[in-house]
Amino acid sequence: QQQVKQSPQSLIVQKGGISIINCAYENTAFDYFPWYQQFPGKGPALLIAIRPDVSEKKEGRFTISFNKSAKQFSLHIMDSQPGDSATYFCAAKGQTGANNLFFGTGTRLTVIP
Amino acid sequence: NAGVTQTPKFRVLKTGQSMTLLCAQDMNHEYMYWYRQDPGMGLRLIHYSVGEGTTAKGEVPDGYNVSRLKKQNFLLGLESAAPSQTSVYFCASCPLGTGYNEQFFGPGTRLTVL
Repeated sequence: QQQVKQSPQSLIVQKGGISIINCAYENTAFDYFPWYQQFPGKGPALLIAIRPDVSEKKEGRFTISFNKSAKQFSLHIMDSQPGDSATYFCAAKGQTGANNLFFGTGTRLTVIP
Repeated sequence: NAGVTQTPKFRVLKTGQSMTLLCAQDMNHEYMYWYRQDPGMGLRLIHYSVGEGTTAKGEVPDGYNVSRLKKQNFLLGLESAAPSQTSVYFCASCPLGTGYNEQFFGPGTRLTVL
């Protein structure tokens, strides 16, 4: 079963708007929560990551909000731009193995001018 | 630096055929991974390696084998391809370290099994 649940599956936002993607998990042993961005025909690339002892992390227009008690985290993209149009994956890192990640199912974001 | 490269970029197989996907990284990373990406399912880990000569099973290992004879290379083999293995395959590598270290992904191999 999917260890990290992600929604929505797709999202259309006007340029300048806020894009919000949500993820939820059950396994409290996860110890890092990264977000990856993937453009068509390319491999995913790390966008931003957060530890579970931090409630928010901001890098430029991208912010992760983390709610440990609810076991939920979300990505907010402020002032969304057409260049942000991509597929976004949330993930969670397990403590065993080798930095292994469990990915959400992905959100295809389209920012229209 | 080329980063993570994958060979081939595209491949079409018939059911029952075999093939090997090659992943190479020039970043001297210890960890390497093979994922498959399917619509609506995200990326799922097939096998991974924590170092030269070692491999381990991920979430969906059935029907695949791997080898890591050299630190910079990680091979994914399909012995008898099935239509269910039609997917986009990504290789990734990651440095050893504490905390969270970024996984660097290759450009992917699109495999179709007829």
